[in-house]
Amino acid sequence: NAGVTQTPKFQVLKTGQSMTLQCAQDMNHEYMSWYRQDPGMGLRLIHYSVGAGITDQGEVPNGYNVSRSTTEDFPLRLLSAAPSQTSVYFCASTRPGQGDTGELFFGEGSRLTVL
Amino acid sequence: ILNVEQSPQSLHVQEGDSTNFTCSFPSSNFYALHWYRWETAKSPEALFVMTLNGDEKKKGRISATLNTKEGYSYLYIKGSQPEDSATYLCARGGSNYKLTFGKGTLLTVNP
Repeated sequence: NAGVTQTPKFQVLKTGQSMTLQCAQDMNHEYMSWYRQDPGMGLRLIHYSVGAGITDQGEVPNGYNVSRSTTEDFPLRLLSAAPSQTSVYFCASTRPGQGDTGELFFGEGSRLTVL
Repeated sequence: ILNVEQSPQSLHVQEGDSTNFTCSFPSSNFYALHWYRWETAKSPEALFVMTLNGDEKKKGRISATLNTKEGYSYLYIKGSQPEDSATYLCARGGSNYKLTFGKGTLLTVNP
């Protein structure tokens, strides 16, 4: 069982370039989300999705775009990379529980450096 | 944005010591409180999800308590082992499974 798979694990971009971080899960989870981890800060929510065709913004959505065409996939697009987007990105999916109690299952992370 | 605070930021203990950390969060509109364990070079893994005031959960030597009225949770580790060394994350659950994370407590257990 692969769980949540993120690619690439490492990426270096130049300012202004665009790229897509891929995320796929094989657990049939309805809920998926993207977080970024920066030194000295907690994980911050970028975008999330409650099901195929439905996405919404999190705490830090600027400069990122998402889509959810299938239950399995939730790609994160950087439209025009900036040095402030240098970070470690985590994709996560959530098992439905009672109310909003589902624990997150995380991918292994993607380390992005923008020069 | 609802702030989640964790203390201490870091902690060094000796093998065999018992230890505990604190997570504080706004108590209004509470949904759930999550604890995750995050080892270096790995991804965070869920330890507990608690929803009810007074909840206590246990997994091996690790346990957690929840007070939703005053807005805090404690994570306890009994008889710490070197393999317990990790960052422990606390997160407050909101609507649509959105979590607000604290900055974590980095635990180092010295053999």
